[in-house]
Amino acid sequence: DSGVTQTPKHLITATGQRVTLRCSPRSGDLSVYWYQQSLDQGLQFLIQYYNGEERAKGNILERFSAQQFPDLHSELNLSSLELGDSALYFCASTSGQGKETQYFGPGTRLLVL
Amino acid sequence: DQQVKQNSPSLSVQEGRISILNCDYTNSMFDYFLWYKKYPAEGPTFLISISSIKDKNEDGRFTVFLNKSAKHLSLHIVPSQPGDSAVYFCAARSGNTPLVFGKGTRLSVIA
Repeated sequence: DSGVTQTPKHLITATGQRVTLRCSPRSGDLSVYWYQQSLDQGLQFLIQYYNGEERAKGNILERFSAQQFPDLHSELNLSSLELGDSALYFCASTSGQGKETQYFGPGTRLLVL
Repeated sequence: DQQVKQNSPSLSVQEGRISILNCDYTNSMFDYFLWYKKYPAEGPTFLISISSIKDKNEDGRFTVFLNKSAKHLSLHIVPSQPGDSAVYFCAARSGNTPLVFGKGTRLSVIA
């Protein structure tokens, strides 16, 4: 158990819909990272937050957005969903801003029908 | 353009033998490399890492080798155990930049 929690574990929705994925980092960690893993792909970095502020941005679509709240949990919002958004979404946390080991949550499996 | 490549999608090894997982990278600015292990229905877990100033790092049964001139690293598992069966991801970064992951290699250790 990494100490990082993600909810929900599974999500099935339809094209055009909007969903919110939630991540709670390990106790004391200030950074949260979001990754997408599509079928047979590696983990693609989406976005990083550190202590409530956006720190780095990767290949995140404009239809996707994220935020980190004062209690340090983070939410990833995916809107106008398309079939190709079906993937595993992981979050990871670290204590600092980049050089520490990342601890991953169990992921949310999103299926868009 | 994949900066981190794991060209073998899968690998089968007999229990007790050596497993060698390979990873190539293209970005010469990468200065830190990591291996993560992933079981089904779980998130990746950190396994071992190496800084670009070293060419080898060992932790128990796991050793990572870095060949900077070839832009190649490898993970050796000796001896391999059935519990090592998982997907292994190679990752790299430059300074504080986000990790760049390969697509993973599925290792099957056969008893």
